[in-house]
Amino acid sequence: GENVEQHPSTLSVQEGDSAVIKCTYSDSASNYFPWYKQELGKRPQLIIDIRSNVGEKKDQRIAVTLNKTAKHFSLHITETQPEDSAVYFCAASPLGGYNKLIFGAGTRLAVHP
Amino acid sequence: DAGVIQSPRHEVTEMGQEVTLRCKPISGHNSLFWYRQTMMRGLELLIYFNNNVPIDDSGMPEDRFSAKMPNASFSTLKIQPSEPRDSAVYFCASTSGQGLYEQYFGPGTRLTVT
Repeated sequence: GENVEQHPSTLSVQEGDSAVIKCTYSDSASNYFPWYKQELGKRPQLIIDIRSNVGEKKDQRIAVTLNKTAKHFSLHITETQPEDSAVYFCAASPLGGYNKLIFGAGTRLAVHP
Repeated sequence: DAGVIQSPRHEVTEMGQEVTLRCKPISGHNSLFWYRQTMMRGLELLIYFNNNVPIDDSGMPEDRFSAKMPNASFSTLKIQPSEPRDSAVYFCASTSGQGLYEQYFGPGTRLTVT
């Protein structure tokens, strides 16, 4: 079955710096790759996603890139702000899995003022 | 739309007791997922349903865990008997399917088994 690995597990940056989180997946048939943000004590919420027919997607300060050949995808946050501090999860959706998601272990991002 | 609704939000119980967690998906969504979140194991998919039918329960940790979805607007996750290691936050999520993949999570149930 699908396996998703996520790095780093923790990331500390200064406000205004960029942050990059990387994930790899094992199932080459996976076709959907979302990123979720979870603030302390809250539910995970989708912040950006990308499908396998697209290489890059951007939404204001966040962007996601996908390399299907290498089976890895990355989240890029520019001009980080303290409110970006949270745990970020990547996920992959195996083809034919009724939209099920296999999550990475999460990255705890701390943005220091 | 009220979003995914879960109850109770917090549950504290003693080891050996039966625990039932409840979930109401977003109206019109046809897939429902149960997750367990712990510091050690992260966000684990336990079981998911499509059109009220269980599709994959391979994530259910033991026979003490069971889940049902009697209709499109209600699902339960039951633990009997409960053990301290079941302490976690349990999330329910739903998705509309039909090419739309975003999963909407409920607020979660924080379960503590003493």
